[in-house]
Amino acid sequence: EIVMTQSPATLSVSPGERATLSCRASQTIISNLAWYQQKPGQAPRLLIDGASTRATGIPARFSGSGSGTEFTLTISSLQSEDFAVYYCQQYNNWPLTFGQGTKVEIK
Amino acid sequence: EVQVLESGGGLVQPGGSLRVSCAASGFTFSSYAMSWVRQAPGKGLEWVSTISGSGGGTYYADSVKGRFTISRDNSKNTLYLQMNSLRAEDTAVYYCAKDNMITSGVYGAFDIWGQGTMVTVSS
Repeated sequence: EIVMTQSPATLSVSPGERATLSCRASQTIISNLAWYQQKPGQAPRLLIDGASTRATGIPARFSGSGSGTEFTLTISSLQSEDFAVYYCQQYNNWPLTFGQGTKVEIK
Repeated sequence: EVQVLESGGGLVQPGGSLRVSCAASGFTFSSYAMSWVRQAPGKGLEWVSTISGSGGGTYYADSVKGRFTISRDNSKNTLYLQMNSLRAEDTAVYYCAKDNMITSGVYGAFDIWGQGTMVTVSS
């Protein structure tokens, strides 16, 4: 099983600042990585697919990068609606696995 | 509008069974693999099971293999998860999720999620 490790667990950021979230895979997943945003009481929302492709309707302030085992989600200028939990997920191998999540909170 | 809507959750005793459903609309259901992902209270996301668009391929997490069965009825645009021998650790919100890409098999990233249905296993 591929273990996905996200860091940090919690990120405190002021509105308008940049947020950088990391995700590491225990073995190579090429670029088969997705990022999701989840707000309390809501379903996850797909942000990024293929490590760097924004999903439909996702603002340009969200960007993804990386390949192999190291990946990054960057939110260039945090808006109030961006405070949420973010999960990475690999779909290169079975079983599909998620990271434990990074909570982005208001500083 | 592309959407999926889960139903069928509830309270069940340990060792019991439950079937949850997911009704899909707004897309060609049979063209996409579909999955179930669960989230225990206060915890992260856990993939449970996936079925290919044709239904010919099914995949399970080890934690549910042999107890849960995924299926689909493409004539009814509906996905199912039959859950048997339920345990307390199966308590979670169960989300239905649509693959982001059309493939001959499974893509594995999910662009459409339902709001989830809560399954509680308790005596």
